Amino acid sequence: DQQVKQNSPSLSVQEGRISILNCDYTNSMFDYFLWYKKYPAEGPTFLISISSIKDKNEDGRFTVFLNKSAKHLSLHIVPSQPGDSAVYFCAASGSGGGADGLTFGKGTHLIIQP
Amino acid sequence: NAGVMQNPRHLVRRRGQEARLRCSPMKGHSHVYWYRQLPEEGLKFMVYLQKENIIDESGMPKERFSAEFPKEGPSILRIQQVVRGDSAAYFCASTPGVWTEAFFGQGTRLTVV
Repeated sequence: DQQVKQNSPSLSVQEGRISILNCDYTNSMFDYFLWYKKYPAEGPTFLISISSIKDKNEDGRFTVFLNKSAKHLSLHIVPSQPGDSAVYFCAASGSGGGADGLTFGKGTHLIIQP
Repeated sequence: NAGVMQNPRHLVRRRGQEARLRCSPMKGHSHVYWYRQLPEEGLKFMVYLQKENIIDESGMPKERFSAEFPKEGPSILRIQQVVRGDSAAYFCASTPGVWTEAFFGQGTRLTVV
């Protein structure tokens, strides 16, 4: 049973436009959400996070939005750049933020087209 | 400050052999986590360790798999009598404490032939 779902396996966006990656979760005990970015043959790198007490967190070109009632979060990247092409994993935790039992989605492969 | 180091990067084992995967956490980090990524899947939590203690091994298969994080040296994930289904990328992550984001290593890609 998948508790964190990323329903789009891939997403293609033109350079300079906005990329929106979506993530849904089912476990209401999750209270901390993270996005990781992964290049081929490398480990995931942390991108941005959000606590359930917030509905938005912004860091440069990256913004994460959380809709608790819908159990949905999204990552916005604007403007999209070629180096953003990677697999993006949404992850959730019920322990306040540590990696203890982080639950990951299957990932969305973002392709930025020139 | 070196990141999380995993070795080897690639490991090929025949069915029935043992696989040992090593993870050195970032300097100052005492919490280590192991994750497995099967083809076309997300990362699945396996085990969470602190120095000399297993805190949570709820994601680890009950047989053939074991993990340790000794007082000195790297964390080791050991898989005995490997089978083809063990072929996957194994990632290690570390944190200085529970309430921080995890930093991942580059992973070990295990192939069982």
